[in-house]
Amino acid sequence: NAGVTQTPKFRILKIGQSMTLQCTQDMNHNYMYWYRQDPGMGLKLIYYSVGAGITDKGEVPNGYNVSRSTTEDFPLRLELAAPSQTSVYFCASSARDSQMGGYTFGSGTRLTVV
Amino acid sequence: AQKITQTQPGMFVQEKEAVTLDCTYDTSDPSYGLFWYKQPSSGEMIFLIYQGSYDQQNATEGRYSLNFQKARKSANLVISASQLGDSAMYFCAMREGTDKLIFGTGTRLQVFP
Repeated sequence: NAGVTQTPKFRILKIGQSMTLQCTQDMNHNYMYWYRQDPGMGLKLIYYSVGAGITDKGEVPNGYNVSRSTTEDFPLRLELAAPSQTSVYFCASSARDSQMGGYTFGSGTRLTVV
Repeated sequence: AQKITQTQPGMFVQEKEAVTLDCTYDTSDPSYGLFWYKQPSSGEMIFLIYQGSYDQQNATEGRYSLNFQKARKSANLVISASQLGDSAMYFCAMREGTDKLIFGTGTRLQVFP
């Protein structure tokens, strides 16, 4: 059971560079999410998707873009990296009736922008 | 306004003692869910316990129990018989309406011998 797979695990970017954080789930979950976690803080929702072709903004969407062309994949795009985007990024997924801990998290991507 | 509030940045507890981690929430949606997650130093998010807004009984999972006081909008986590391996960050989270999961700022728990 792969669950939620995030790549890469670590990345260093220079200011102004762009990159895509990949997220794939194999549980046929409708809902997928991207969070960022700054040092010593909680997780903040960046974007989420309730199904293929549908995305919506979370609490902190500025500087990011997402797409959801398939149920399995939910990539997060950083177009012009800034030091403020240095963080740990978590992807998660859940089934429609997401009770009883039905949110599955990936292992995270640690991104540093220098 | 904060949806999820955890007022204890850090807590200490002696091994084998019980500890309560506080969480209050704010929502006008009658249907919501409350979660607690553990994040050890390795960084992964580990689900601990869930409480639905319509659940009559407080949730329990092994050494974890959730003290759900709906009128006070609180959902405190109680860890009984603390172990050294319980040292970690603990996050309270709430799901409402459209299935977004919103997190609190966390409490760092340290268990000492």
